[in-house]
Amino acid sequence: EPEVTQTPSHQVTQMGQEVILRCVPISNHLYFYWYRQILGQKVEFLVSFYNNEISEKSEIFDDQFSVERPDGSNFTLKIRSTKLEDSAMYFCASRQGRSSGYTFGSGTRLTVV
Amino acid sequence: AQSVTQLGSHVSVSEGALVLLRCNYSSSVPPYLFWYVQYPNQGLQLLLKYTSAATLVKGINGFEAEFKKSETSFHLTKPSAHMSDAAEYFCAVSDLTSGSRLTFGEGTQLTVNP
Repeated sequence: EPEVTQTPSHQVTQMGQEVILRCVPISNHLYFYWYRQILGQKVEFLVSFYNNEISEKSEIFDDQFSVERPDGSNFTLKIRSTKLEDSAMYFCASRQGRSSGYTFGSGTRLTVV
Repeated sequence: AQSVTQLGSHVSVSEGALVLLRCNYSSSVPPYLFWYVQYPNQGLQLLLKYTSAATLVKGINGFEAEFKKSETSFHLTKPSAHMSDAAEYFCAVSDLTSGSRLTFGEGTQLTVNP
């Protein structure tokens, strides 16, 4: 069964530092997403990416966030200057087409101290 | 705009009993609907999805859900609960526009008692 792979599984960073969360979507998938889940809360949409550009972003996805698909296989989420409230589980997801299910990775737990 | 409401943040059943997790949605266009399960410290696993074909959808682990347009519901059921079903369950809706997001409900924590 193809998987979405996320690294690292857990990252601890100091407030104000930049972090890059990495994802390898399923190879024939075309749509890519980042979601986050603050502890005890629901899963929230951050951004969707299709055809090498952002197709939609939420109000959470402000100027400190950026996404990139640098080499056709990786899909990264960068947080430029982390805040305590950025502590959350970040999930990458991908899907093949418009009627396909979304496949999620196992997540990266980001802890900002 | 689309939204999902899951009635009951916690549901507790006995092993072997019926599982019913409720989900109501709001969408301005025909929706695609999903149920995901999350085990502790793990990611989100797709249980089943409705994509405008059959209204009764069968998923993994014996779960199924029925799309009822008139009630704007997509409740998840399983005839007989197993201890391994204990997890958090999320209902989600998408309208499948080109970049469409999944909008999740608040989640329902299912406890299965022996």
